Amino acid sequence: GAGVSQSPSNKVTEKGKDVELRCDPISGHTALYWYRQSLGQGLEFLIYFQGNSAPDKSGLPSDRFSAERTGGSVSTLTIQRTQQEDSAVYLCASSPIAGPGGELFFGEGSRLTVL
Amino acid sequence: GQNIDQPTEMTATEGAIVQINCTYQTSGFNGLFWYQQHAGEAPTFLSYNVLDGLEEKGRFSSFLSRSKGYSYLLLKELQMKDSASYLCAVRDGAGGYNKLIFGAGTRLAVHP
Repeated sequence: GAGVSQSPSNKVTEKGKDVELRCDPISGHTALYWYRQSLGQGLEFLIYFQGNSAPDKSGLPSDRFSAERTGGSVSTLTIQRTQQEDSAVYLCASSPIAGPGGELFFGEGSRLTVL
Repeated sequence: GQNIDQPTEMTATEGAIVQINCTYQTSGFNGLFWYQQHAGEAPTFLSYNVLDGLEEKGRFSSFLSRSKGYSYLLLKELQMKDSASYLCAVRDGAGGYNKLIFGAGTRLAVHP
């Protein structure tokens, strides 16, 4: 497809389990973002990949969260030992240019529920 | 660090005009975006300002004053479908990055 693709769209897991969320950005987009959105809240920045540079991880809430971007394309967000407060919609977005400007194109999100 | 403030909720009448304000503080300002998000959907791009002044796109306009750390989104001829959350986002270029930081959003309810 032409848009940002995220999988799974819904994930229910038990507390303490690890989860992986996947993002396929729009082809050719150099920048990739992960955000978290709790019900009725705004978007919380998690991590930002810009081309081949080291990512900006300043938004990751704890060391249980990590993300990779392989080959400058697909990204995986991993949450280890999930907690109930991790329940949220995880949104991925990509941008065609890394510098100023460059609107973000969002995927539909992965809704994570931790029981 | 960054700080972005916008009203939590607003209501308006169909056909009217509404202005949603956003104030921000950031160490490396590199542009301001407005996004629209309907309930249960992903945000979609509305506007981008990097220089002072007004940008107009149909029924939507966005204004920026960099010296005041202030922006507003103006919606004219409101329609029921404009009921959504409106997110102000600032691109922070500090440290060589250009990450986009979002405010908490303003939920707009348009009534007949």
